[in-house]
Amino acid sequence: KNQVEQSPQSLIILEGKNCTLQCNYTVSPFSNLRWYKQDTGRGPVSLTIMTFSENTKSNGRYTATLDADTKQSSLHITASQLSDSASYICVAPGGFKTIFGAGTRLFVKA
Amino acid sequence: DAGITQSPRYKITETGRQVTLMCHQTWSHSYMFWYRQDLGHGLRLIYYSAAADITDKGEVPDGYVVSRSKTENFPLTLESATRSQTSVYFCASRGLADEQFFGPGTRLTVL
Repeated sequence: KNQVEQSPQSLIILEGKNCTLQCNYTVSPFSNLRWYKQDTGRGPVSLTIMTFSENTKSNGRYTATLDADTKQSSLHITASQLSDSASYICVAPGGFKTIFGAGTRLFVKA
Repeated sequence: DAGITQSPRYKITETGRQVTLMCHQTWSHSYMFWYRQDLGHGLRLIYYSAAADITDKGEVPDGYVVSRSKTENFPLTLESATRSQTSVYFCASRGLADEQFFGPGTRLTVL
């Protein structure tokens, strides 16, 4: 069964600290994996895409990694800011469907 | 305005009433989607459309109807609203490399 599991469910960190969000996927055939950011009251927006051949990709303070052998991806946020408070959703196409993780809710406190 | 828009942004209705949520995109993307988002469930697919006049059920289609007479519009109708349909509804279209572009959402409350 195609599925995407994320951890932790929620996370509270202090402004300026780093954090890492995890995504385990079981999707076949695998083509790519995206991380979306969803601010409160808004629709999700794509942060980055990871394809099978990519190990690491950065988008500003966001760095995504992909380990195709263990079927794991992570999103690392460096020097967090208050504006990073959001839900982060891991997403993978699974055949004709799109498989969404349940998301990690990140709270950045001053 | 370029992009994907939804209307209304907020809607309160009563049980048994018919409600239509509108979605419009300006990119001419072939694929469009309707999702609902509830606490504890994440995004769940209601219906999707591969092109004008081609629609198919998603994960939770019961109680909903869609149509797609034009590529740019994809309305979602709740035929007889129930309290369990209180949710936030997102419309999306799909671009290159499976990237989905989401609208701002419609928060629907059924009393």
